[in-house]
Amino acid sequence: QSVLTQPPSASGTPGQRVTISCSGSNSNIGSNPVSWYQQLPGTAPKLLVYRNDQRPSGVPDRFSGSQSGASATLAISGLQSEDEADYYCAVWDDNFNGHVVFGGGTKLAVL
Amino acid sequence: QLQLQESGPGLVKPSETLSLTCAVSGGSISSRSSYWGWIRQSPGKGLEWIGNIHYDGSTYYSPSLKSRVTISVDTSKNQFSLRLSSVTAADTAIYFCARRLLERFGEYYYAFDIWGQGTMAIVSS
Repeated sequence: QSVLTQPPSASGTPGQRVTISCSGSNSNIGSNPVSWYQQLPGTAPKLLVYRNDQRPSGVPDRFSGSQSGASATLAISGLQSEDEADYYCAVWDDNFNGHVVFGGGTKLAVL
Repeated sequence: QLQLQESGPGLVKPSETLSLTCAVSGGSISSRSSYWGWIRQSPGKGLEWIGNIHYDGSTYYSPSLKSRVTISVDTSKNQFSLRLSSVTAADTAIYFCARRLLERFGEYYYAFDIWGQGTMAIVSS
């Protein structure tokens, strides 16, 4: 059971906007920047968002992140079939001398 | 273009020690603004952080794995390594190495921006 709570699944149709939540606490999301990762089947995770809402070069602006209090959200607009993947949030947690925690992951289906 | 490549035995016996290495190419491991990490993924499960190391040797470990994990760095070979002792079937997973970038050109990242392709480690007799 992860320190960060994500819905196990989400879905949408092409063109729709979907959001994936990541709920934590004051020791992690409430204090430190969140990153989001996309993992396509059989591949390594790929950085989508860093420092809550920043996109690395090459990541489409359809992907956006936000953070409020102890929660973060990944939004995907203009959903495409190739967005079908697992999505993970991650953040530094100040407890236990500091460590990284990942959310349990959300499997996104494009219907 | 920085690249990471994991290597190590694919099969380890229960109670033995799993040893993996991550070779860094296209850049130096001796960067003040980077940590180097290990993350694993059990079959059909999510990502689990194992630990990070800086080139100066400072480390951070997962609280749940700390008693069994050692991460080390070899700057002369531009690589870092993972040792996980007393393994059981629960340690069967794909093991990824990744760079945790703290800052670049004055901008803070605090994210795993580059990943290796991962290597499967199976614990079985």
